[in-house]
Amino acid sequence: AQKVTQAQTEISVVEKEDVTLDCVYETRDTTYYLFWYKQPPSGELVFLIRRNSFDEQNEIRGRYSWNFQKSTSSFNFTITASQVVDSAVYFCALSRGQAGTALIFGKGTTLSVSS
Amino acid sequence: DAGVIQSPRHEVTEMGQEVTLRCKPISGHDYLFWYRQTMMRGLELLIYFNNNVPIDDSGMPEDRFSAKMPNASFSTLKIQPSEPRDSAVYFCASSSTLSPNYGYTFGSGTRLTVV
Repeated sequence: AQKVTQAQTEISVVEKEDVTLDCVYETRDTTYYLFWYKQPPSGELVFLIRRNSFDEQNEIRGRYSWNFQKSTSSFNFTITASQVVDSAVYFCALSRGQAGTALIFGKGTTLSVSS
Repeated sequence: DAGVIQSPRHEVTEMGQEVTLRCKPISGHDYLFWYRQTMMRGLELLIYFNNNVPIDDSGMPEDRFSAKMPNASFSTLKIQPSEPRDSAVYFCASSSTLSPNYGYTFGSGTRLTVV
């Protein structure tokens, strides 16, 4: 069975602090995909990144970076120099290797960034 | 592209009434997903279609829920009769096996309140 665990329910930081959101996944598939989505207070789900199971390279996009480690089944998300606009719920998700299979979401981590 | 379009954005109905939620996927996408988001259960998959055919409806909570996809550009999720516990945000998403990253694009959601 597939499962995504986001152990941090809520995180509060002050602007300019770095913050890491943890994601641990379970799957028996050798080919799978991992995702992060952002849900701001307005409610929509915004796609941030997709990573396949064969690509363990870390990725950096501006203030956002992702660390994928198959050895620990983790796909963690770090925001550097956080800003108030980063306040949102962040979801980690997993899908099987075949195209078009459904996303399995974690419970989400609510990030609050205060000024 | 206008993205995934859901209607209505908000729906308030009385217990026992029929509710129909609508979704227009991105043109050319061959997969369509319905998710429900609640505080208790997070984001859970209800049903998904491939080329208008239901593939997995194991997440549909009970017989009061039904979903159809009569053509590639339209899907409905119907609840009859509705109950207060159906109150949630319902998301529709679409994806394509042909797009390079076959990401999942979500609509803005329908917030359903059953009183």
